[in-house]
Amino acid sequence: AQTVTQSQPEMSVQEAETVTLSCTYDTSENNYYLFWYKQPPSRQMILVIRQEAYKQQNATENRFSVNFQKAAKSFSLKISDSQLGDTAMYFCAFLPIGGTSYGKLTFGQGTILTVHP
Amino acid sequence: SQTIHQWPATLVQPVGSPLSLECTVEGTSNPNLYWYRQAAGRGLQLLFYSVGIGQISSEVPQNLSASRPQDRQFILSSKKLLLSDSGFYLCAWSVGTFGKPQHFGDGTRLSIL
Repeated sequence: AQTVTQSQPEMSVQEAETVTLSCTYDTSENNYYLFWYKQPPSRQMILVIRQEAYKQQNATENRFSVNFQKAAKSFSLKISDSQLGDTAMYFCAFLPIGGTSYGKLTFGQGTILTVHP
Repeated sequence: SQTIHQWPATLVQPVGSPLSLECTVEGTSNPNLYWYRQAAGRGLQLLFYSVGIGQISSEVPQNLSASRPQDRQFILSSKKLLLSDSGFYLCAWSVGTFGKPQHFGDGTRLSIL
């Protein structure tokens, strides 16, 4: 079984600054994917970024990038040039590959990010 | 393109009443389907998942059940709601098993009185 831990219940950042959200996970799997999802006050879950465990290169999506440290089982999300619309709850999620995983995600408890003007 | 519809958006039900939440996916075939519950300010708890018509797996023993009568339809039900069933319910879909992300509906906020 996998566990995903987000140790920061809440974070805040000033508009235009950079913030990093932490995520660690525990697994015996060697092949898996990691995701960050964003849940704004509207409650819709939105995929932010995806990382394949077999790729050493960190994923980036515009202002969002990750720092993936496989040996340390760490997967942090960096948001650059923070915008007011980035205010949301952010979830880290783990997905094992194949077998009987059936695409089932394991989520962390979430980090509430507030961007201040 | 694929879309997911979930309804109703909000529901207020008395304790002991039945429940039926529906989720449908368009634009894809044979999706994996999932029901999650999210308590206020908390993470997502996987309740049920389905990899095909009539195939339902339960992750957490509880007062709820799920059914998949059609390929792209997933229903969450209860015969008698409990106060503890209150929460935000999310339906999601994915395809395959190899790293494809889940895509979520807009959710149903369920309040039990």
